[in-house]
Amino acid sequence: AQRVTQPEKLLSVFKGAPVELKCNYSYSGSPELFWYVQYSRQRLQLLLRHISRESIKGFTADLNKGETSFHLKKPFAQEEDSAMYYCALSGKGSQGNLIFGKGTKLSVKP
Amino acid sequence: DVKVTQSSRYLVKRTGEKVFLECVQDMDHENMFWYRQDPGLGLRLIYFSYDVKMKEKGDIPEGYSVSREKKERFSLILESASTNQTSMYLCASTLSGTGTGELFFGEGSRLTVL
Repeated sequence: AQRVTQPEKLLSVFKGAPVELKCNYSYSGSPELFWYVQYSRQRLQLLLRHISRESIKGFTADLNKGETSFHLKKPFAQEEDSAMYYCALSGKGSQGNLIFGKGTKLSVKP
Repeated sequence: DVKVTQSSRYLVKRTGEKVFLECVQDMDHENMFWYRQDPGLGLRLIYFSYDVKMKEKGDIPEGYSVSREKKERFSLILESASTNQTSMYLCASTLSGTGTGELFFGEGSRLTVL
């Protein structure tokens, strides 16, 4: 079964501290993984996708097929990073629909 | 910029009422989706559509139906609203077959059923 697990409901760090939001997935085959972010009072939007291998707003995520993980990392958290983060998986032939994790709320304290 | 517009941001309905949630996108996307967003449960797919008049059940279709009469419009219908359908409803769209995974979301419709 396809599944995305985000073990932490809430992650609280201080400004300037490193942050890692965990994501593990279950999928037989080669999935595509994504991170979506929802800032307060804003719509849900794509943050990054594993195929791009890019850094967005200082965040990176590496797909580890051996550990079936796609953790989101940032070396120095900023207060404006406070938001809800969702990890998502897209399977082949999925018609674009994504399977989302339950989300992790990141709170960056001053 | 892709724009996905949900007609109602906030609705309050009574148990048993019929509820329509409308979603319109302006980028000629083939695929449209309705998700439900609940704290601690994340986003769960209710229905999706990959073409006009086509629909597919998602993970939690019970108590819901959808309509896609035009490419740009995807409606979610609650035939008889119940209190457990109090939630935030998110509409999204994407191009077909791109596999890019970028869903474009609306701002959401917060429904309260009393």
